Amino acid sequence: GAGVSQSPSNKVTEKGKDVELRCDPISGHTALYWYRQSLGQGLEFLIYFQGNSAPDKSGLPSDRFSAERTGGSVSTLTIQRTQQEDSAVYLCASSPVGAITEAFFGQGTRLTVV
Amino acid sequence: GESVGLHLPTLSVQEGDNSIINCAYSNSASDYFIWYKQESGKGPQFIIDIRSNMDKRQGQRVTVLLNKTVKHLSLQIAATQPGDSAVYFCAEGAAGNKLTFGGGTRVLVKP
Repeated sequence: GAGVSQSPSNKVTEKGKDVELRCDPISGHTALYWYRQSLGQGLEFLIYFQGNSAPDKSGLPSDRFSAERTGGSVSTLTIQRTQQEDSAVYLCASSPVGAITEAFFGQGTRLTVV
Repeated sequence: GESVGLHLPTLSVQEGDNSIINCAYSNSASDYFIWYKQESGKGPQFIIDIRSNMDKRQGQRVTVLLNKTVKHLSLQIAATQPGDSAVYFCAEGAAGNKLTFGGGTRVLVKP
């Protein structure tokens, strides 16, 4: 596609349920980022994939959070046993070669845990 | 770890005035710096970037200044317009590493 695509755009889930958020990066981009953004706040780094290297998971807030990137393309962020504090916009970004070029962001998935 | 430090203050600017948004970074190994603009309900969008071998770069109505001595980055917006109201983020990076984002600054343009 022309840009980074995220789905769903909005997700409302009950506390305790698992959710999966999807990111389709720009074709050919080797680097992929997940960020979380609470209302009116900055970007909280979650996880970074770069090519075939081991992902940088240093930003994942708890073991309820995990992410995969299959075939170096599509990525899925999974949150297990969701809590109300998980409510936020989850943003995905991709870039051609990592931190020496700009990252292109998707529109985000707004997650609401009720 | 190293990070770009930027709290989330609010900068109120009169329409037509110039805006200056500041960012401090701490990783002296960073060689690439970017400014992003995020409008309400959207993902951040690239504005302008600068390499560490430069100290100034100009775009359309925007100028980025890099002071490596004091590890400071700024974004200047000339003749600020209502459409410039947004949150602005700086980011830093280096080959082999991930981009690191600052906390953001909200710019409100008053008519």
